Amino acid sequence: DVKVTQSSRYLVKRTGEKVFLECVQDMDHENMFWYRQDPGLGLRLIYFSYDVKMKEKGDIPEGYSVSREKKERFSLILESASTNQTSMYLCASSLSGSEETQYFGPGTRLLVL
Amino acid sequence: RKEVEQDPGPFNVPEGATVAFNCTYSNSASQSFFWYRQDCRKEPKLLMSVYSSGNEDGRFTAQLNRASQYISLLIRDSKLSDSATYLCVVNAFSGYSTLTFGKGTMLLVSP
Repeated sequence: DVKVTQSSRYLVKRTGEKVFLECVQDMDHENMFWYRQDPGLGLRLIYFSYDVKMKEKGDIPEGYSVSREKKERFSLILESASTNQTSMYLCASSLSGSEETQYFGPGTRLLVL
Repeated sequence: RKEVEQDPGPFNVPEGATVAFNCTYSNSASQSFFWYRQDCRKEPKLLMSVYSSGNEDGRFTAQLNRASQYISLLIRDSKLSDSATYLCVVNAFSGYSTLTFGKGTMLLVSP
């Protein structure tokens, strides 16, 4: 069974803080993704990665960066948190480029004050 | 712009009813199609893939119409546990295997 875990379920941070969201998958998946989900806007892709140390911008990368130092771990970094980054953040992974089914972690609800 | 459009609902149906959702997609190059289910305050989970010939999984039937660029999901004999948001998902075909998610259709099944 695929398991994707995220470091926190709930997080409260202050404006200007640097925020790290961690995601780990245990199924040796090549691909990992970070989304945010907001009411009325659906799931939007922030960044994704197809290999260690590789990253690609998604649809809304501004204000975010990512790190993938190990295959199983994909980190999302908010360099200077702002209130408009209050959201639900979802990490996902998929097996390889030809296998598109994505498996999601439980999500992190981030509140930026 | 790549988009997947769905009626947000909510669809309110009694137990035992049959309900159908449709979604349309704008990228004619899309090759892969899925329905995901998302329970309240939970993560999305794959419900089923959608194949060109149509496919069925128990009470759930998915259809694809490439000419009209729409996908449908039919749920028969609705159960209370079917209450959730159903996300229509299409591959983005952007050179990488990314997916474009619709905003979802909410289903509420009542006793």
